[in-house]
Amino acid sequence: AQSVTQPDIHITVSEGASLELRCNYSYGATPYLFWYVQSPGQGLQLLLKYFSGDTLVQGIKGFEAEFKRSQSSFNLRKPSVHWSDAAEYFCAVGASRDTGRRALTFGSGTRLQVQP
Amino acid sequence: DTGVSQNPRHKITKRGQNVTFRCDPISEHNRLYWYRQTLGQGPEFLTYFQNEAQLEKSRLLSDRFSAERPKGSFSTLEIQRTEQGDSAMYLCASSLEVPDTQYFGPGTRLTVL
Repeated sequence: AQSVTQPDIHITVSEGASLELRCNYSYGATPYLFWYVQSPGQGLQLLLKYFSGDTLVQGIKGFEAEFKRSQSSFNLRKPSVHWSDAAEYFCAVGASRDTGRRALTFGSGTRLQVQP
Repeated sequence: DTGVSQNPRHKITKRGQNVTFRCDPISEHNRLYWYRQTLGQGPEFLTYFQNEAQLEKSRLLSDRFSAERPKGSFSTLEIQRTEQGDSAMYLCASSLEVPDTQYFGPGTRLTVL
């Protein structure tokens, strides 16, 4: 069964500092990987996705993530955090096309606080 | 291009009552998904439709839950005889078949008193 671990429940960074949110997954085949962001009381907004190809993917709002197969990781990074980035971030794994499942499996999330 | 919409945004009900939520996917998206999210957790998959066919159901989807997508467009999720444990955010997402990227709606927050 696929699973996602986000080891950091809560992270606080200063505005302008760099950010890295960790994500480890467990999946038997080549996964599809996603990062979503959720503001309080809102739905999830897609930040970026990895299906295949270049292991460094660029997303919206200046975010990027790197797929490392050997470490089963898909960490999210941003070089300079803005106060508006404060939110909950979710990593998710989806089945690749060679399986029948379409459900996403999410981690439990990392809450990001940004200090002025 | 409008996004996924869900109604109502909030629902408060008493234990034992039935509730129904609606999801309108992005137009031309043939796949539609329902997830449930409790406080402090990531979303958990409930069920998925391709067009009008319900192709996958989670074990979380008890007999009190039923979902439909009769014409392959909007979907409804009904919970019968609600329990306090049903209190959660119910999220809907839609996608094309290719690429299979899920876009989420704003959710319906259910509170069962």
